[in-house]
Amino acid sequence: DADVTQTPRNRITKTGKRIMLECSQTKGHDRMYWYRQDPGLGLRLIYYSFDVKDINKGEISDGYSVSRQAQAKFSLSLESAIPNQTALYFCATSDLDRAGELFFGEGSRLTVL
Amino acid sequence: QKEVEQNSGPLSVPEGAIASLNCTYSDRGSQSFFWYRQYSGKSPELIMFIYSNGDKEDGRFTAQLNKASQYVSLLIRDSQPSDSATYLCAGPLVGSQGNLIFGKGTKLSVKP
Repeated sequence: DADVTQTPRNRITKTGKRIMLECSQTKGHDRMYWYRQDPGLGLRLIYYSFDVKDINKGEISDGYSVSRQAQAKFSLSLESAIPNQTALYFCATSDLDRAGELFFGEGSRLTVL
Repeated sequence: QKEVEQNSGPLSVPEGAIASLNCTYSDRGSQSFFWYRQYSGKSPELIMFIYSNGDKEDGRFTAQLNKASQYVSLLIRDSQPSDSATYLCAGPLVGSQGNLIFGKGTKLSVKP
C-alpha cells in the first residue's frame, strides 16, 4: 500500500458542486500539503499544515478550504467548484524539519464541467 | 516575485550521453534546492537535494549549486531510456516556513 493515499483518484463534477479530496498517510509525518498541478504552470501550493491545530494558506488558497482531522488525515474541499479548478491535485507529506523532502500521493484528477 | 525557472524542453539526448538540466532562481538568500522526477501520469519523487555550494553526487546523478550565479543543475551520466521524465527543480518559497516553490519542469527524453 502507498504511504500517502488520496481518494478519489479521478472525479468529474459540475460547476457549483461541493467536492472533497481526501488524503491519509502512514509515514508518521507532521507536515501535510495540498498542491495542484496544471500544464505549463507547474506545482503550486494550496494549503499546508504542521499539525491538527495549524493550517496555513499557500500560494493559491482562494476557492479552497482544508481540514486536518488527525495527524494522518488532511482533506481539501472545493465549496463550489468552477471549471478553472480542473487540475491534478497532489497531497504530500514531510518531516517537520525536512520540509523540502516531500512524499507525494498518487494524485487526484479533478474535472469540473 | 521570487521564482525558480527552468527551460521546459523537451531535452533529447541519446542513450549513454550526459543529460544536463538547469534551473535559475531569483532569491539570493535561498540555501537549499531539490530535484524531483515525475514520470508521465505519476507523482513527483525526490531524487536529489543540495544545501551547499558545489557538487553533490549520488550514483549517476550530480547536483550542482552555484550561489554566485544563482543557478542549480542536475547532471545525469550514462542516461538511460528509463530516465525519460519531467524533472522539477524546487527551492524555498520565501517567507513560507520552509515550503517549496517549484519550477515548471524540464521534460527529458533519452533515445535508445
